[in-house]
Amino acid sequence: GAGVSQSPSNKVTEKGKDVELRCDPISGHTALYWYRQSLGQGLEFLIYFQGNSAPDKSGLPSDRFSAERTGGSVSTLTIQRTQQEDSAVYLCASSLGGGQDIQYFGAGTRLSVL
Amino acid sequence: AQSVTQPDIHITVSEGASLELRCNYSYGATPYLFWYVQSPGQGLQLLLKYFSGDTLVQGIKGFEAEFKRSQSSFNLRKPSVHWSDAAEYFCAVVRAAGNKLTFGGGTRVLVKP
Repeated sequence: GAGVSQSPSNKVTEKGKDVELRCDPISGHTALYWYRQSLGQGLEFLIYFQGNSAPDKSGLPSDRFSAERTGGSVSTLTIQRTQQEDSAVYLCASSLGGGQDIQYFGAGTRLSVL
Repeated sequence: AQSVTQPDIHITVSEGASLELRCNYSYGATPYLFWYVQSPGQGLQLLLKYFSGDTLVQGIKGFEAEFKRSQSSFNLRKPSVHWSDAAEYFCAVVRAAGNKLTFGGGTRVLVKP
């Protein structure tokens, strides 16, 4: 596709359930990022993938959060045993390379944990 | 601590009036600077960026921003706002040799007819 695609656009889950969020980056982009946007914390970095390098997981808030990127393209963010404080919009971005290359964002997945 | 500050949480402006959104950063070396806009239910769209060179940067939708090293600022301006400019605006930086974006808290702009 022409842009970054995220699915689902909305996800409602019950506390304690696991959820998977998907991101399809722009074709040819080697760098992929996950960010979280919440009322209390604003926009915050979660994790960064660049090619075949080990991901930068420094922004993941707890070990309930994990992400993988298969074949250097599609990425899945998994949240285990969801908590109410995980409710937020999860944004994915991709860029041609890393560093100062422009990051293009998807529309996000709105996660609501009941 | 390294940070990005947008002092104004909300700004209300009349259609046709000028707009200025403030952004200050606190980093040891000048980072790469960005302004993004987010319309309701949408992702973030890049308005403009500054890496080096001319300190007045032109972007899309008639926006411009001025980098002032002495003030550690990167303020966004538009001479005449349109109703479609109502949105939330985020200043963001990537530190030199870094990768991730660090965002300010955002400024929500309301445009009065």
